[in-house]
Amino acid sequence: GAGVSQSPSNKVTEKGKDVELRCDPISGHTALYWYRQSLGQGLEFLIYFQGNSAPDKSGLPSDRFSAERTGGSVSTLTIQRTQQEDSAVYLCASSPLGTTTPNEQYFGPGTRLTVT
Amino acid sequence: SQKIEQNSEALNIQEGKTATLTCNYTNYSPAYLQWYRQDPGRGPVFLLLIRENEKEKRKERLKVTFDTTLKQSLFHITASQPADSATYLCALSSGGYNKLIFGAGTRLAVHP
Repeated sequence: GAGVSQSPSNKVTEKGKDVELRCDPISGHTALYWYRQSLGQGLEFLIYFQGNSAPDKSGLPSDRFSAERTGGSVSTLTIQRTQQEDSAVYLCASSPLGTTTPNEQYFGPGTRLTVT
Repeated sequence: SQKIEQNSEALNIQEGKTATLTCNYTNYSPAYLQWYRQDPGRGPVFLLLIRENEKEKRKERLKVTFDTTLKQSLFHITASQPADSATYLCALSSGGYNKLIFGAGTRLAVHP
């Protein structure tokens, strides 16, 4: 079946502009995650959605970052007033139902964001 | 604060040898640990999961150990092949069963 998809694959924007990054998770997966990966660095957790529960936003670096998940499926990560330090690869992952057992995460290919 | 350490330097080995990658953590008591593979320009791919009450887990040429006393996991690839060349990430559970904290990864290069 189809995996996690993300769009766009690349985004170049000017400093100060807003950007929206999209994630389509695997159908039926109730958990959805956003991560940020800077060059040569590990994955930095940003936000986590699980079913209808309130999202875990503890990883969002500033109030310029926000995310939504509509209808328990597609998610959009929005970065307002982009800064050069926002340049990174933004990865989305989804995971099957389960809050009492651990599940592996399935990652999309990422969106490479460059802020000039 | 919580910290995960993986060898930042690349590991270079000869084809056919066993590759061993290390993941150390501090200020954590993770319920489980996962290993992922990441190729350039792609998202990570899940490889193995091991729980805190398991000492060892195997899958084909892969083996993971989890020592909660030493706060360390070792990831082994036996009979390594050039196709195993990639960056390998360890990830520890944090604050629940579905939240992971990732290490920075170790790059493995297997030479023919």
